[in-house]
Amino acid sequence: AQTVTQSQPEMSVQEAETVTLSCTYDTSENNYYLFWYKQPPSRQMILVIRQEAYKQQNATENRFSVNFQKAAKSFSLKISDSQLGDTAMYFCAHEGGNEKLTFGTGTRLTIIP
Amino acid sequence: DAGVTQSPTHLIKTRGQQVTLRCSPKSGHDTVSWYQQALGQGPQFIFQYYEEEERQRGNFPDRFSGHQFPNYSSELNVNALLLGDSALYLCASTLSHNEQFFGPGTRLTVL
Repeated sequence: AQTVTQSQPEMSVQEAETVTLSCTYDTSENNYYLFWYKQPPSRQMILVIRQEAYKQQNATENRFSVNFQKAAKSFSLKISDSQLGDTAMYFCAHEGGNEKLTFGTGTRLTIIP
Repeated sequence: DAGVTQSPTHLIKTRGQQVTLRCSPKSGHDTVSWYQQALGQGPQFIFQYYEEEERQRGNFPDRFSGHQFPNYSSELNVNALLLGDSALYLCASTLSHNEQFFGPGTRLTVL
């Protein structure tokens, strides 16, 4: 069974600063996907970034990038130039061959004006 | 494209009652998954439907059942509601290993 661990329940950072959210996972599969989802107070789960495990290159999406360390089973999210709209719950998730998502417990991120 | 839609938005039930939640997938998507998100927790996988069959199931009791229709829309049914069933129920749709798109969820409160 897959497990996903987020060890930072809450984080806060000043607007325009950089913040890194941590995630570790455990899986016995070789081919899988890792995701970071954002859930604002509106509850809508929004995909932030996706990483295929077979790709060594770290995924980037504008201000969002990941540090994927496959051997260490680590998948952190870096948000650069943070904005007030980045305030939300962030969930790390694993998806194996069965298209089932396993989520972590989330990190509540607050961007301070 | 309307994306994934869910109804109702909010629902209040009492213990022992039964509830049905509905989900319409994003256009072109054939796979629907349901997740339960308790307050302050990450979503937990309930089950997944593909070609009108339950393809896989998480660790949820038989009180939780579902259905997928020929147009790929889906229902989640919960019988004999317990207080602990109070949660946000999320539906996600996908087309074969592509991004899963989530709906806005249904907030179920059991009194």
